[in-house]
Amino acid sequence: AQSVTQLGSHVSVSEGALVLLRCNYSSSVPPYLFWYVQYPNQGLQLLLKYTTGATLVKGINGFEAEFKKSETSFHLTKPSAHMSDAAEYFCAVSDQWSGGSNYKLTFGKGTLLTVNP
Amino acid sequence: EAGVTQFPSHSVIEKGQTVTLRCDPISGHDNLYWYRRVMGKEIKFLLHFVKESKQDESGMPNNRFLAERTGGTYSTLKVQPAELEDSGVYFCASSQVSWSYEQYFGPGTRLTVT
Repeated sequence: AQSVTQLGSHVSVSEGALVLLRCNYSSSVPPYLFWYVQYPNQGLQLLLKYTTGATLVKGINGFEAEFKKSETSFHLTKPSAHMSDAAEYFCAVSDQWSGGSNYKLTFGKGTLLTVNP
Repeated sequence: EAGVTQFPSHSVIEKGQTVTLRCDPISGHDNLYWYRRVMGKEIKFLLHFVKESKQDESGMPNNRFLAERTGGTYSTLKVQPAELEDSGVYFCASSQVSWSYEQYFGPGTRLTVT
């Protein structure tokens, strides 16, 4: 069975500081990996994804993540935090061998990012 | 292009009552998923439709939950009778056949059972 662990349910950074949100996964087969963001009173929005190929993936709003198979990690980073980045972030994994078109997601518990002025 | 929409945005019902949640996926998306987030827990998969067919119901908690997708368009999720532990946020997501792994989520329905 797949699982996702997000270290830190709440991360607080200063505006302009580095953002690092940690995600480790467990999967018996090559995974597809995702980061989603949820702004207050909105749905989940896809930030970035890793399927195959380049292990460093870039997403929207200046975020990027690196797939490290040896560490089973997919940490999310942004060099300089902005006030608008305050939101809840979810790491998720999907089994690319599920069969058919079922790519059901297994989520971590989420990390609430606070950006201080 | 309109995104995934869900109705209602909030619902407060008493234990034992029935509630029906609705999801309208993005037009042309054959895949439709339901997920649920109970307070303090992770978002969990409930079920997956391809068009009108249920492909995977492995996440449905029990037989008080019934999902349908008539005609392969919108979907409903009925909870009957509702229990206190059913409270949470119910998300719907949809995806195309060709990019099945890229799911687009709706804003969710917050269900409170009192």
